[in-house]
Amino acid sequence: EAGVAQSPRYKIIEKRQSVAFWCNPISGHATLYWYQQILGQGPKLLIQFQNNGVVDDSQLPKDRFSAERLKGVDSTLKIQPAKLEDSAVYLCASSSRRTGGTETQYFGPGTRLLVL
Amino acid sequence: LAKTTQPISMDSYEGQEVNITCSHNNIATNDYITWYQQFPSQGPRFIIQGYKTKVTNEVASLFIPADRKSSTLSLPRVSLSDTAVYYCLVAVYNQGGKLIFGQGTELSVKP
Repeated sequence: EAGVAQSPRYKIIEKRQSVAFWCNPISGHATLYWYQQILGQGPKLLIQFQNNGVVDDSQLPKDRFSAERLKGVDSTLKIQPAKLEDSAVYLCASSSRRTGGTETQYFGPGTRLLVL
Repeated sequence: LAKTTQPISMDSYEGQEVNITCSHNNIATNDYITWYQQFPSQGPRFIIQGYKTKVTNEVASLFIPADRKSSTLSLPRVSLSDTAVYYCLVAVYNQGGKLIFGQGTELSVKP
């Protein structure tokens, strides 16, 4: 079974530029998550999708971050404009339980973003 | 705000049993406690999940007391390859079931 795929693996941009990350979850997984992990900290949930609907985006900085999962499969997370404090690893995860709650999540390798 | 609390770091030697405890005062009634392992430059990897009492799989055990205000991950006979950061994940009911990772425990296993 193929795992969660993410691209790119690394990205370096200057502040105020825009950037986009892509995630392809495990086939058949209805739930998709985006996390931000700052160095030395645990992952922080940014947004959770159930199919193509948003379950939780309460910690997504909506003035600069956006995410979509139009066909209920792969997803894109965008930052525009980027700030220095956005430097982090962006993790995508997916899970298969349909009713939410704490599910077994399978994580991708992450995209490491450096904002200069 | 409710939060989870874990020791920041732990040291151990090969062959020892390691117990890592996570405190979580406001866990959702119907939600599970999950533990993940993370190596540098990788995403977290599922270790074990439980709801109450004790769960055991091929790599670890999870102990959860009746009040579910904490959980303890037990790694039997650790090896050098168990050196990693370990996170507990719970859903916090007074924040609408929000998924909250602990800050992680960095386990260092020495020969």
